[in-house]
Amino acid sequence: AQKVTQAQTEISVVEKEDVTLDCVYETRDTTYYLFWYKQPPSGELVFLIRRNSFDEQNEISGRYSWNFQKSTSSFNFTITASQVVDSAVYFCALSEAQDSNYQLIWGAGTKLIIKP
Amino acid sequence: ETGVTQTPRHLVMGMTNKKSLKCEQHLGHNAMYWYKQSAKKPLELMFVYSLEERVENNSVPSRFSPECPNSSHLFLHLHTLQPEDSALYLCASSHGVFYNEQFFGPGTRLTVL
Repeated sequence: AQKVTQAQTEISVVEKEDVTLDCVYETRDTTYYLFWYKQPPSGELVFLIRRNSFDEQNEISGRYSWNFQKSTSSFNFTITASQVVDSAVYFCALSEAQDSNYQLIWGAGTKLIIKP
Repeated sequence: ETGVTQTPRHLVMGMTNKKSLKCEQHLGHNAMYWYKQSAKKPLELMFVYSLEERVENNSVPSRFSPECPNSSHLFLHLHTLQPEDSALYLCASSHGVFYNEQFFGPGTRLTVL
């Protein structure tokens, strides 16, 4: 079964704090893709990153970083020195390359609130 | 216009009305999607079109009818909806399907009275 779990429903931190959003996935495939999307209050989902299952190298993009660990089936997302503009709902998603259902399996999302 | 656009942004309709949602992508993609996002529920895929052909229909009620006249445009025709159909309807596009990143429009907030 395919499943994506984002156990943190809501996280609230004060601006400039670091925050990590957890994502745990389940898949039987050896080839798969993981994604993170951001949904600000405006409603539009914004693509952040795609990682394939053969690339376990961690990714850093500015204040954003991602830690992919196949051993624990996790793909966690860290925001360093958070800012109010980071407030949004963040979604983790999984796609198996052999899946003919043409869909991403979405997590339930984590609402991140950054207080000034 | 750039990216993925959706119109209208907000729609209120009665259960007997017929309306249509429009999506247009300016990214040269060949796959387009309709999603439904309800409060407290994961994103639900409704329809997928690849090269203007429907490739996926996740058991969506017939009161929702998609149309993809070309690779840049996608419509969702609505008729005799129910109050539980009130939600944010999101359109997305991508190069190919399933494992490539999808780019989303701002959504249409639909309220069914």
